[in-house]
Amino acid sequence: GENVEQHPSTLSVQEGDSAVIKCTYSDSASNYFPWYKQELGKRPQLIIDIRSNVGEKKDQRIAVTLNKTAKHFSLHITETQPEDSAVYFCAASNAGANSKLTFGKGITLSVRP
Amino acid sequence: DAGVIQSTRHEVTEMGQEVTLRCKPISGHDYLFWYRQTMMRGLELLIYFNNNVPIDDSGMPEDRFSAKMPNASFSTLKIQPSEPRDSAVYFCASSPSATTGTEAFFGQGTRLTVV
Repeated sequence: GENVEQHPSTLSVQEGDSAVIKCTYSDSASNYFPWYKQELGKRPQLIIDIRSNVGEKKDQRIAVTLNKTAKHFSLHITETQPEDSAVYFCAASNAGANSKLTFGKGITLSVRP
Repeated sequence: DAGVIQSTRHEVTEMGQEVTLRCKPISGHDYLFWYRQTMMRGLELLIYFNNNVPIDDSGMPEDRFSAKMPNASFSTLKIQPSEPRDSAVYFCASSPSATTGTEAFFGQGTRLTVV
């Protein structure tokens, strides 16, 4: 089955700096890669996703890049703000076969004011 | 739509007791997922349903865990007997049917404490 790994497990950045969170996956058949943000005590919520037919997607301060050959994808947050502090989960699925999302263990991002 | 509903936010039970967690998915969504979240293991998929049929229960840790989806608007996750190591946050999520991948909408989660 699919195995998704995230590195590092924690990340601390200064407000205004950029943050990059990386994920690797194992199943070459995976074709859908969402990122979820979970604030303390709350539910995970989708912030951006990418499908295997594109290499990059951007939405305001966040972007995701996908390298299918290397089987890794990354979340980029620019001009970080304190409210970006949260746990970020990457996930992967083979959407054509099923909708089973396999999540990474999550990365805790801390943005220092 | 009110989103995915897990009406119980906190559940405390004694070791050995049966505990049932409940979930109402978003109307019209074909997929329902049960996840368990702990610090050590992150978000683990326990089981998921497609059109009320269990598709993959390989994540269910033991026979003590069982899940049902009697109709499109209701699902339960039961632990019997419960153990302290079952303490975690249990999330239910649902998503629409799609072949290209779509968002999974999570409920608020139920924090289970087994004492």
